[in-house]
Amino acid sequence: DIQMTQSPSSLSASVGDRVTITCRASQSISRYLIWYQQKPGKAPNLLIYGATSLQSGVPSRFSGSGSGTDFTLTISSLQPEDFATYYCQQSYSAPPYTFGQGTRLEIK
Amino acid sequence: QVQLQESGPGLVKPSETLSLTCTVSGGSISGYYWSWIRQSPEKGLEWLAYIYDSGSTTYNPSLKSRVTTSLHTSKNQFSLTLTSVTPADTAVYYCARVVDGYCVGWGQGTLVTVSS
Repeated sequence: DIQMTQSPSSLSASVGDRVTITCRASQSISRYLIWYQQKPGKAPNLLIYGATSLQSGVPSRFSGSGSGTDFTLTISSLQPEDFATYYCQQSYSAPPYTFGQGTRLEIK
Repeated sequence: QVQLQESGPGLVKPSETLSLTCTVSGGSISGYYWSWIRQSPEKGLEWLAYIYDSGSTTYNPSLKSRVTTSLHTSKNQFSLTLTSVTPADTAVYYCARVVDGYCVGWGQGTLVTVSS
């Protein structure tokens, strides 16, 4: 299985801050990297696919970058509704597709 | 807007079989991949299985031969069966619609607890 490792595991930030979350794959996955946002008690919600493509309806303050093994999710200016847990997932190789362990973004 | 809804028992005894159904509304089950994913504090998000409308399936090898997923096209549903459950199978189970390996729509999730 391809292992996905996110850092940091948790992060405190303030409204208006620029935040970056990192995801590293245990082997090259080209650009087959997805980002989800999950709020408590809810299912994950697709933010970015193909490492950089913004899902329809997702605010443009979210952006993704990277290829190969190293990827980042950036939120350019944090809004109150962005405080949540973020997960990366690889879609390069299955079975199985694999997820990162999550990054919890909290209000400072 | 396609919506998905999981249904099934919330409590299953150890060694028994977990069975869940996902009902798809607002669109046809045909022409897409559909998947089961679970989430627990211990294992995080874990991809269990996916199925295409042709009936072809792919399973997570970590579950060995315990997991099965099936389509019920006439009912616009698909199902999950997990045999010989243990407390380690306690999780929130989600169904999802899959496009190019990513989940574009999820059910709300259903908590399944394995306990005697």
